[in-house]
Amino acid sequence: NAGVTQTPKFRVLKTGQSMTLLCAQDMNHEYMYWYRQDPGMGLRLIHYSVGEGTTAKGEVPDGYNVSRLKKQNFLLGLESAAPSQTSVYFCASSYPVAGDGYTFGSGTRLTVV
Amino acid sequence: ILNVEQSPQSLHVQEGDSTNFTCSFPSSNFYALHWYRWETAKSPEALFVMTLNGDEKKKGRISATLNTKEGYSYLYIKGSQPEDSATYLCAHLNSNYQLIWGAGTKLIIKP
Repeated sequence: NAGVTQTPKFRVLKTGQSMTLLCAQDMNHEYMYWYRQDPGMGLRLIHYSVGEGTTAKGEVPDGYNVSRLKKQNFLLGLESAAPSQTSVYFCASSYPVAGDGYTFGSGTRLTVV
Repeated sequence: ILNVEQSPQSLHVQEGDSTNFTCSFPSSNFYALHWYRWETAKSPEALFVMTLNGDEKKKGRISATLNTKEGYSYLYIKGSQPEDSATYLCAHLNSNYQLIWGAGTKLIIKP
């Protein structure tokens, strides 16, 4: 049982490049989330999904897009990377009530130069 | 805007001592309060999900209490060990069923 798997773990992008971060979960969770974590700040929600085929904006959605074509996968896209998007990105999943809490992936460290 | 506040920001504790820290959150429209443990270079792991005022949960040497009327939760660690060194996050589930996270308390256990 792998839980939540994020790929890649590290990436360096040049300003203006695009990339996609993949999150996969094998726990049959309905809800999935993308967060970014920056020094001195709490986790900030970028986008989330409450089920296959649905997505919604979180607290800091600008510059990102997401897709949830399959229940187990949640993709985060950066169309034109900016240095302000340098961060550590975490994916998480949960059941709707989240009574057991969220399960997190191991994170992707992204640097935009 | 963070409306979940954690204090202190960091804490140094001698091995064997007990410690506690605080999470403050909006007391209106309460749904749930989460605690997570986040070790360096790893991902956050859920410790407790608390929903009822007066609730107290325990996992080994770690316990948590909840006061929804006044909007705070305490996390206690009894007899701190080096492996307890981590950042402890709390998060409040708001009326949109989204978790709003505190910035964490970084706990360092000194041998």
